[in-house]
Parts: sequence; structure tokens; C-alpha cells
Amino acid sequence: AQSVAQPEDQVNVAEGNPLTVKCTYSVSGNPYLFWYVQYPNRGLQFLLKYITGDNLVKGSYGFEAEFNKSQTSFHLKKPSALVSDSALYFCAVRDLLWMDSSYKLIFGSGTRLLVRP
Amino acid sequence: SAVISQKPSRDICQRGTSLTIQCQVDSQVTMMFWYRQQPGQSLTLIATANQGSEATYESGFVIDKFPISRPNLTFSTLTVSNMSPEDSSIYLCSVGTARGTMNTEAFFGQGTRLTVV
Repeated sequence: AQSVAQPEDQVNVAEGNPLTVKCTYSVSGNPYLFWYVQYPNRGLQFLLKYITGDNLVKGSYGFEAEFNKSQTSFHLKKPSALVSDSALYFCAVRDLLWMDSSYKLIFGSGTRLLVRP
Repeated sequence: SAVISQKPSRDICQRGTSLTIQCQVDSQVTMMFWYRQQPGQSLTLIATANQGSEATYESGFVIDKFPISRPNLTFSTLTVSNMSPEDSSIYLCSVGTARGTMNTEAFFGQGTRLTVV
């Protein structure tokens, strides 16, 4: 079965510093990986995805993620954090249920990012 | 992308009652998904709703508790029946694209924050 793990419940970083939010995955076959962000009292917003191609994926709001097949990781990064980046971040993997073709997403436990001024 | 409108955005309900959540999409989509996000937790898929067929429920979720309607390609409802305080969660509607391919990201509504007292 497909799964993702986010080992950190919370990440604290000072504004202007680089940030990393970690995600590791376990899949059978090729991984289809996604990052989402959830601001307070809001739904989830798509940030970026890895399907194939370059290991460094660029997404919205200056975020990027690095796919590492040997380490089965897909860490989210940003060179310079903003206070407004403070939110809940979810890593997700596509669950490839070929029998019913539902293509549902399986989410990690989430990491709360706190950027202090 | 898809724009998803979810109603109500929040509600406070008495135990034993039922609440119906509506999800409207601005384009036709094949698959719609309903997720639950319990306080401080990640997202858990409740069911997949395809137009013209019965919803497919995940393990731990049953139709009697969470009946779903999918009358057309742009609309779905989720009912939380006979509510108890344990049902207090955020409920999120999600869609893929009309083609529903595994490469595409999912889009989410703003969520319905339900509190059962």
C-alpha cells in the first residue's frame, strides 16, 4: 500500500532563513507526489507535484521540492521564509487503485510551519 | 483548475441531528471525493462519488452514517447522520479534472467546520 510520512509535527524557522519540511514515501511502482498547504480556516491549496522528469520541482509562492528516489523523499523547501508562510503543510501520494481507478490521495500527518519575525 | 464552493462553511449542530453539506464545482468532473479532517489530524477519505453510480466508501465509513448524492457532474452532497460529538471535524470536498488522470492534482473546497454539541 502507498503511504507518506511527515516526521516533524512542527518546524520553526526565522523569517528570511531557508526552510525544509520533510516527507518520505513508500509506494509500489512510480510515485505521484504532491504538496498542499492549509491556512487557518481554509481548505487545502495545491503547491506542487512530482510526476516524472526533473527531480527539482518548482511550485507556487516560491516553494520547491526535491524528489530523491534513493532516499524515497520529497522534501519541501523555500530559500527564504516569510511570516505569511506559517500554515499546515501536507505531503500526499496518489493511491493507484487500478481496480476502481479512483486515483485517490493519501495524506501525511501534516507539519505545522511557524515562521517567526 | 477547478473552483469549488462548499456550503455551509461552518455549523454547530445538536447531537442526534443530521447535516447535509453541499459541494458545487464550476466545471464537469468525473470523480468527487469527500474527506474528513478531525481536530489536529490529517485528512481521511470518506468516500468517492461518481455520477451515475453509488458512492464507494472507505473502510470505517458506511452509507447509513454518511449518505452521499451525486446527481450530476458538477454537484454532490454529503450528509452526516445522527451526529455525535465525535463527528466534530472539518469536512472537505475534492475533485480531480474531468479526465481524472493520476497526473493531475486534486482541488479542494474551503471545507465545512462542523461542531456537534
